Amino acid sequence: DTAVSQTPKYLVTQMGNDKSIKCEQNLGHDTMYWYKQDSKKFLKIMFSYNNKELIINETVPNRFSPKSPDKAHLNLHINSLELGDSAVYFCASSRLLVPDTQYFGPGTRLTVL
Amino acid sequence: DAKTTQPTSMDCAEGRAANLPCNHSTISGNEYVYWYRQIHSQGPQYIIHGLKNNETNEMASLIITEDRKSSTLILPHATLRDTAVYYCIVSPLGQGGSEKLVFGKGTKLTVNP
Repeated sequence: DTAVSQTPKYLVTQMGNDKSIKCEQNLGHDTMYWYKQDSKKFLKIMFSYNNKELIINETVPNRFSPKSPDKAHLNLHINSLELGDSAVYFCASSRLLVPDTQYFGPGTRLTVL
Repeated sequence: DAKTTQPTSMDCAEGRAANLPCNHSTISGNEYVYWYRQIHSQGPQYIIHGLKNNETNEMASLIITEDRKSSTLILPHATLRDTAVYYCIVSPLGQGGSEKLVFGKGTKLTVNP
């Protein structure tokens, strides 16, 4: 069974469009994250949600809006897509314990043309 | 910025032990050392973590120096499937959900037949 899943796996779109990436975890975790990995392969945290509450927001443009309908889901909506948004986006989850390990999804490769 | 320094790349022969070093000279007393790896085109995968003592699990061993300023990840019998980028991360013991993993450039380990 897939622990952390993301859809879609690939997303190609035009500048200015609005798109969403979905993430679901079946691990029963309380905390979920979004990370961005750019073309230089740097992996940076964007958001963290704990029991549907925003915990970490790493100076991400407000065109990015995470939404957590329940503990098992954390979706990422991006408005007015820009070329610089092209990257691989990873979702992750962990338990509400410290220290703990984060389980990552397979990633969504977003290409903005 | 990442608080760790790792070699850019390393090679290892299949079946031999792979020893990956990491310097974290500014580590604080409440910070854990985590190791993750990212196999090409996949999401990062947790390997191991430790605070002061050496740790071992089914994947690897983690050796932390007494002053905690450096550590070594050991893959005892490297296989071709261990070829990946290995990230050493120090992270403060925050509240659950605020575990902010700051990924550096990591070490590209290539296991050769």
